[in-house]
Amino acid sequence: ETGVTQSPTHLIKTRGQQVTLRCSSQSGHNTVSWYQQALGQGPQFIFQYYREEENGRGNFPPRFSGLQFPNYSSELNVNALELDDSALYLCASSLVMGTSGGETQYFGPGTRLLVL
Amino acid sequence: GESVGLHLPTLSVQEGDNSIINCAYSNSASDYFIWYKQESGKGPQFIIDIRSNMDKRQGQRVTVLLNKTVKHLSLQIAATQPGDSAVYFCAEKPHLGNYGGSQGNLIFGKGTKLSVKP
Repeated sequence: ETGVTQSPTHLIKTRGQQVTLRCSSQSGHNTVSWYQQALGQGPQFIFQYYREEENGRGNFPPRFSGLQFPNYSSELNVNALELDDSALYLCASSLVMGTSGGETQYFGPGTRLLVL
Repeated sequence: GESVGLHLPTLSVQEGDNSIINCAYSNSASDYFIWYKQESGKGPQFIIDIRSNMDKRQGQRVTVLLNKTVKHLSLQIAATQPGDSAVYFCAEKPHLGNYGGSQGNLIFGKGTKLSVKP
């Protein structure tokens, strides 16, 4: 186990609704990255939070937003849900020191979102 | 739980044999590479990583080889066990500043499903 936790484990929403997913990072880590994994695909990077600010974003629309809190936990918010948003949402925590990069990301178990 | 291995390349090996899983990465500027194992219904689990200044790195029963000339990564699993059955993903991390300014993203490959026959 990585020590990264996510809630809820499963969620069912209808199109147009909004959803908030939560992630607690591993102890000692300061950075959280969020990924979307569609069935049969590899995870796709949504964004990363470092020092409570967005630190890079993938090709996702603005209705995907996030927060990071002082304790390094994070939320992913998705507005105006679409059917294609149905996926496994993964968060990964890591320790970033300076600008060296290359930090290892450790994943949580994910939240399975189904949009009907 | 549902399988994340649908429509993925599949490697089937006999228990006790060695497994080799291959991956072609996309960005010549990537300087960090990771192999993850994902079991059905779970998040990806870190296996081993390698930086671009290395060609080979060994862990417990696993070895990663990096060929930067042809942008190829491989994962070797020795004495494969039934518990190794999963989907394996390689991931690359572009060098900072060379990929749209994003500093955090891992780029994942399509994955390979490893099935171990007892």
